[in-house]
Amino acid sequence: DGGITQSPKYLFRKEGQNVTLSCEQNLNHDAMYWYRQDPGQGLRLIYYSQIVNDFQKGDIAEGYSVSREKKESFPLTVTSAQKNPTAFYLCASEGAGHGEQYFGPGTRLTVT
Amino acid sequence: AQSVTQLGSHVSVSEGALVLLRCNYSSSVPPYLFWYVQYPNQGLQLLLKYTSAATLVKGINGFEAEFKKSETSFHLTKPSAHMSDAAEYFCAVRPNFGQGTTLQVKP
Repeated sequence: DGGITQSPKYLFRKEGQNVTLSCEQNLNHDAMYWYRQDPGQGLRLIYYSQIVNDFQKGDIAEGYSVSREKKESFPLTVTSAQKNPTAFYLCASEGAGHGEQYFGPGTRLTVT
Repeated sequence: AQSVTQLGSHVSVSEGALVLLRCNYSSSVPPYLFWYVQYPNQGLQLLLKYTSAATLVKGINGFEAEFKKSETSFHLTKPSAHMSDAAEYFCAVRPNFGQGTTLQVKP
């Protein structure tokens, strides 16, 4: 089945620890995105990548880092510098076309 | 940058009633516009998209949206709400999303 997978579904970490969220797609899409979702704030763009080995900051990139070494994979690291990391994180990919995005099921990160 | 604004963070309708979720975009050039639906603790699913081929766009689950350039709007409608329509709905102009509208359907 083609699609996007995110793992794990739920993630718990202690404050001060870095954590990496996984995002994999087998849709052969060039572009991939990371969003953060908080109640009442919609989706906010963290990072995006339009091609392998290249990525750009979104609106709220501070405290996050990404890599894009393979077309299929776009992992997001939430660093200890992120002041309020507890949130629902969504990964999406986009193929050639009109810009519709395909979303993974999300990872809910809780930092205590 | 292109953006969208969703009017109303919560909309409540009775089962069988008309659903109307409002979205306005800011762009001098007609953009590609999208509506997505999100069920609790899940990712987003594409409902429909506007790509300038037709101003009235039909999507899944009986939803449709009309692109109105004069009003810079792309409102989402469904003639008759079903309990299963209760979810959060997002209007988007890639890669930006609106704040979302939670649709509640009362029996």
